[in-house]
Amino acid sequence: AQSVTQPDIHITVSEGASLELRCNYSYGATPYLFWYVQSPGQGLQLLLKYFSGDTLVQGIKGFEAEFKRSQSSFNLRKPSVHWSDAAEYFCAVGAHTGTASKLTFGTGTRLQVTL
Amino acid sequence: KAGVTQTPRYLIKTRGQQVTLSCSPISGHRSVSWYQQTPGQGLQFLFEYFSETQRNKGNFPGRFSGRQFSNSRSEMNVSTLELGDSALYLCASSPAASGGAGETQYFGPGTRLLVL
Repeated sequence: AQSVTQPDIHITVSEGASLELRCNYSYGATPYLFWYVQSPGQGLQLLLKYFSGDTLVQGIKGFEAEFKRSQSSFNLRKPSVHWSDAAEYFCAVGAHTGTASKLTFGTGTRLQVTL
Repeated sequence: KAGVTQTPRYLIKTRGQQVTLSCSPISGHRSVSWYQQTPGQGLQFLFEYFSETQRNKGNFPGRFSGRQFSNSRSEMNVSTLELGDSALYLCASSPAASGGAGETQYFGPGTRLLVL
């Protein structure tokens, strides 16, 4: 069974500082990997996804993530954080079960941005 | 295109009651998935519907059920509500053009259910 680990429950960074959120996955085949962001009281918004090909993927809002198969990781990065980035971030792996698909999420990392 | 819509947005029920939540997917999307989000358990997959058929199911009791209509709209039902069912219920849709594997799922704003 697939699983996702986000080791950091809560991270605080200063506005303008760089950010890296960690994600490790466990899956027996080539994974489909996603990062979603959730603002308070809202649903999930897709930031970026990795299916295959280039291991460095670019997303919205200036985010990027790098797939490292050897480390089973898919860390999310942003070079300069803005106060509006404060939210909860979820890493997910998409499993292919027959013709169906489902997402398995990590427990999330809450990002606080100080001014 | 309009996004995924869910109704109602907020709901308060008492233990033992049942509840029905509704989800309208993005136009043209044929797959609808449901997730439960709680502080303790995080985001957990409930089930997925495609062409009015449930084709994937998570580890939830039979009190949780769903269905999908011919226009891809979906409903989920929880019978005999328990306090632990208080959660944010999220619906997600995907095109299912390639069968669903690895497709991006687009989420609605969720329905927040409070069971008293």
